[in-house]
Amino acid sequence: AQSVTQLDSQVPVFEEAPVELRCNYSSSVSVYLFWYVQYPNQGLQLLLKYLSGSTLVKGINGFEAEFNKSQTSFHLRKPSVHISDTAEYFCAVSEGAGGTSYGKLTFGQGTILTVHP
Amino acid sequence: DVKVTQSSRYLVKRTGEKVFLECVQDMDHENMFWYRQDPGLGLRLIYFSYDVKMKEKGDIPEGYSVSREKKERFSLILESASTNQTSMYLCASTAYGGADTQYFGPGTRLTVL
Repeated sequence: AQSVTQLDSQVPVFEEAPVELRCNYSSSVSVYLFWYVQYPNQGLQLLLKYLSGSTLVKGINGFEAEFNKSQTSFHLRKPSVHISDTAEYFCAVSEGAGGTSYGKLTFGQGTILTVHP
Repeated sequence: DVKVTQSSRYLVKRTGEKVFLECVQDMDHENMFWYRQDPGLGLRLIYFSYDVKMKEKGDIPEGYSVSREKKERFSLILESASTNQTSMYLCASTAYGGADTQYFGPGTRLTVL
């Protein structure tokens, strides 16, 4: 079984400032890692995912995340945020290679990012 | 462009009613999922289906059932709605396994009075 913890429920930040949204996971098997974003009144869409290889993953809208296996973390970063980045962000894991979970995702609790002018 | 659609954006029902939430995907995906989203709890998996007529319970199946008679359509059924089932319900689909992106519908906000 897997679990995901997002360490901050809300993150307020000023426009053009850097931001980091933190995510830690726990799993007894290898995992794939995902960040999804939910804009107001919309479904979730994929920001980025880590499957294997380079631990630094780049996604859409200037976001990136770094996989740290020893710390079981997958923190999301952006060097300069915009008002339009205001949304809720979800970290998620699924079973890695060889798994039989059919792509089931285990989500964290979500982090609401609010960008102020 | 990939698309997952849900039958209603907003739904209001009374306690004890039978409720059907429908989801359709146009990507020929094998796997489909129903989640509920509650503030502070993230998304929790209710049921999923990996093939037509095949289903498995997720983490919170109590009070729900599902039906998948056609590959593109996955229905969530609340046999007797209760107020604690007031929530946002999200449907998703994915092609095969864990490495694939899940594509989400816009959600149905269900209120049970």
